[in-house]
Amino acid sequence: QKEVEQDPGPLSVPEGAIVSLNCTYSNSAFQYFMWYRQYSRKGPELLMYTYSSGNKEDGRFTAQVDKSSKYISLFIRDSQPSDSATYLCLGGTSYGKLTFGQGTILTVHP
Amino acid sequence: EAQVTQNPRYLITVTGKKLTVTCSQNMNHEYMSWYRQDPGLGLRQIYYSMNVEVTDKGDVPEGYKVSRKEKRNFPLILESPSPNQTSLYFCASSAREDEKLFFGSGTQLSVL
Repeated sequence: QKEVEQDPGPLSVPEGAIVSLNCTYSNSAFQYFMWYRQYSRKGPELLMYTYSSGNKEDGRFTAQVDKSSKYISLFIRDSQPSDSATYLCLGGTSYGKLTFGQGTILTVHP
Repeated sequence: EAQVTQNPRYLITVTGKKLTVTCSQNMNHEYMSWYRQDPGLGLRQIYYSMNVEVTDKGDVPEGYKVSRKEKRNFPLILESPSPNQTSLYFCASSAREDEKLFFGSGTQLSVL
């Protein structure tokens, strides 16, 4: 079993839609979680970062972590065509091991 | 400009011919790591380094070596490349392991 499982998609939504991206994890040693966005064949860029269970909001993006059910989500409100990219969730341990999900390809069409 | 520099961007080689992909960062970061990216598999960590002379295996270390003799450099070495190592490789660094990763531009490697 992969330590981080991500809904593979792909997802295709109309502009303005709310997007939900989801991951589950199995490694109890994960202490923090991140979401990265990657445009085609470029290096990923950090979107959101959280240590604890609960919600964290930044503009149109909300990251949600539920450590009891080992579930992490990213919500994008008012999605834009420029949000079209691959989204990657990540779980990290205190000793430096990082595990990414498989990535979800999102397309937002005008 | 703060950056992670990987070289080369593209590399075509043959099975068994040793190669090195270089990675250098100018941000005085302690943490550096290597990933390979394959379709449908996301980014998989190969090796990571918490500081100089401290390296550890990630999820897919077989067939790779690394070294961290200086803080700024973290080369990835393929002693005897095989076709299953054909992939897109990324180097990344961060101030600490639990902080934002800065990625290089990637190296597309093809092993024939």
